[in-house]
Amino acid sequence: NAGVTQTPKFQVLKTGQSMTLQCAQDMNHEYMSWYRQDPGMGLRLIHYSVGAGITDQGEVPNGYNVSRSTTEDFPLRLLSAAPSQTSVYFCASRATAGAGYTFGSGTRLTVV
Amino acid sequence: DAKTTQPTSMDCAEGRAANLPCNHSTISGNEYVYWYRQIHSQGPQYIIHGLKNNETNEMASLIITEDRKSSTLILPHATLRDTAVYYCIVRVDRGSTLGRLYFGRGTQLTVWP
Repeated sequence: NAGVTQTPKFQVLKTGQSMTLQCAQDMNHEYMSWYRQDPGMGLRLIHYSVGAGITDQGEVPNGYNVSRSTTEDFPLRLLSAAPSQTSVYFCASRATAGAGYTFGSGTRLTVV
Repeated sequence: DAKTTQPTSMDCAEGRAANLPCNHSTISGNEYVYWYRQIHSQGPQYIIHGLKNNETNEMASLIITEDRKSSTLILPHATLRDTAVYYCIVRVDRGSTLGRLYFGRGTQLTVWP
C-alpha cells in the first residue's frame, strides 16, 4: 500500500494561474478531505467527501473546487491562484467511523 | 464538534512520561476524543481515540475522566522523535461529519535529551 499520495510536492504559480493538486489513496477509503496549513497555524478544512460523487465544503472553501469521480482520487482545483493561497496542502482519507485519518506528505504551494 | 482547550507548549525529558492534557467541558455523549500529532513539516499522524473508556495502543495511552470533560494523552517513555504538535479533537462520528476533522492550535511538545 502506498497510502495517501499527493502530487506535486512543490509548486510555484503566478497569480491568476489555475492548477490541480492531485490526491490518490489505494486503501479503498470512503472518506477523503483537503486541508491547508499556514505558518504557525493549525490545519483548516477546505473540502471533504464521504464517497464517490459526494463532496461538501469545509471551513475555507472559497477559491477551490473538488470532485470525487472515483473512490481513489480526490483532486483539488485552484481556479485562479492568489497569493493568499500560498500554503501547505494536505490530503487525508479514512475508512469508516472509529478509524483514524491517514494523511499525505503535503504539497507546498507558492503563489507569486 | 465540541471545543477543546490545550496548553500551548510543554516539555519533557527523554525517557520520562509525557502527559498532555485536554479540556473538553462541552463534550456530548456521542462525541469521541481523538489525538493526532504533527512532526515538523509532515502530515498529521493519528495516535489514538476513545469514547468513555481508557485506551492504550503501541503509541500511547488515553485517559478520559469519568465525566468526560477532560482527557490526558500519555506517552510512557518519550523520545526525541516525539517532539511534535499534538492535537486533541472532539467529534461525532456519523453521517456527513465522518468526512470532517477540525483542528485547533494544539500543544507543542518538546522532548529534551
